[in-house]
Amino acid sequence: GQQVMQIPQYQHVQEGEDFTTYCNSSTTLSNIQWYKQRPGGHPVFLIQLVKSGEVKKQKRLTFQFGEAKKNSSLHITATQTTDVGTYFCIYNFNKFYFGSGTKLNVKP
Amino acid sequence: GAGVSQSPRYKVAKRGQDVALRCDPISGHVSLFWYQQALGQGPEFLTYFQNEAQLDKSGLPSDRFFAERPEGSVSTLKIQRTQQEDSAVYLCASSLGVGGMNTEAFFGQGTRLTVV
Repeated sequence: GQQVMQIPQYQHVQEGEDFTTYCNSSTTLSNIQWYKQRPGGHPVFLIQLVKSGEVKKQKRLTFQFGEAKKNSSLHITATQTTDVGTYFCIYNFNKFYFGSGTKLNVKP
Repeated sequence: GAGVSQSPRYKVAKRGQDVALRCDPISGHVSLFWYQQALGQGPEFLTYFQNEAQLDKSGLPSDRFFAERPEGSVSTLKIQRTQQEDSAVYLCASSLGVGGMNTEAFFGQGTRLTVV
């Protein structure tokens, strides 16, 4: 069956450092969404990627969808303490499966 | 309403007790999903409704779990004879599209269930 690995599981950075999380699939994805969940909160939609090689930017966040549509990444430039939380990719929309998530901690 | 509303926010149940968790999705949203999120883990899919039809219940962990959405809006997740392993946050999400395709999902705040 379809398997998606999300790495790393945890990332601790100093404020101002960059951060990247990756979702890698064994099969081609039709599209992928990214969500952020703050500690004690609920997942909140960030972006959806549909096209092969697509790149989208939201301020300090850059999202990419691989050419083969098997992997995706979220990159945060110059992290801030407000970026703390767990970042999930979601795939297979009939069931809205979550990736395992990357927990980001930012030290001030 | 303005968003997805879940009630209660917190529920403590004695082992063996039945519980019912409610989800009010955003008005007009076709798709509704239930997830179970254990502490420190990602949300695990439980079941999916398209309007009132339960199209996928493959994630329900046992026959003690039952979900319904009789009129295609409000949904209830019922857990019978609760066990300690049922302790988790139960998240509900709704989306405008069918199967969540090409539309974002809006999540409720969740119900934290603790079975003692």
